[in-house]
Amino acid sequence: SQKIEQNSEALNIQEGKTATLTCNYTNYSPAYLQWYRQDPGRGPVFLLLIRENEKEKRKERLKVTFDTTLKQSLFHITASQPADSATYLCALDDRAAGNKLTFGGGTRVLVKP
Amino acid sequence: SAVISQKPSRDICQRGTSLTIQCQVDSQVTMMFWYRQQPGQSLTLIATANQGSEATYESGFVIDKFPISRPNLTFSTLTVSNMSPEDSSIYLCSVEYVSSEQYFGPGTRLTVT
Repeated sequence: SQKIEQNSEALNIQEGKTATLTCNYTNYSPAYLQWYRQDPGRGPVFLLLIRENEKEKRKERLKVTFDTTLKQSLFHITASQPADSATYLCALDDRAAGNKLTFGGGTRVLVKP
Repeated sequence: SAVISQKPSRDICQRGTSLTIQCQVDSQVTMMFWYRQQPGQSLTLIATANQGSEATYESGFVIDKFPISRPNLTFSTLTVSNMSPEDSSIYLCSVEYVSSEQYFGPGTRLTVT
């Protein structure tokens, strides 16, 4: 069966350190993978998209890697700040279902000052 | 990016009644979606709202329970019909542009008593 797995345990990290989140998937062949940020009581906000032929993408303090062999994406927040505290969702398209987005369960990040 | 608004932002409804949620976008978009996010869970796609034709529903969601309208390229409604406590959720609309990233509305928090 198809699965998108993110660590359901919250990630507690000290301000200034790098937070690394994992997204693993099974039985998908995505053309791209996306990362979103969601704050409590709000809709998700798009952060980054990485395509299957890209190994790494950066945006300011964010870095995403995509390994289609391992079926895994890593999401890094460098020099983390308390304002980075949120839930981070990965999402990938499902080619077999008309490229609709399917979301992982999300990982909550708490950056402590 | 798009500016998306939803009405109402929250509501408390009696079992057996219906609620219509509105989604307004500040620009014309082809792809518009409705998601549900149950407490502590990730997003589940309900349907794709198609302009000028019937919505395309995902497995487990039916038109009688979640009728959707899409009269033009900037507006859509989702109705949650004959509500039960299990329908208590956050309902989100989103739009997708050519670049495949999605932009979400702020969500409608529904509580059914």
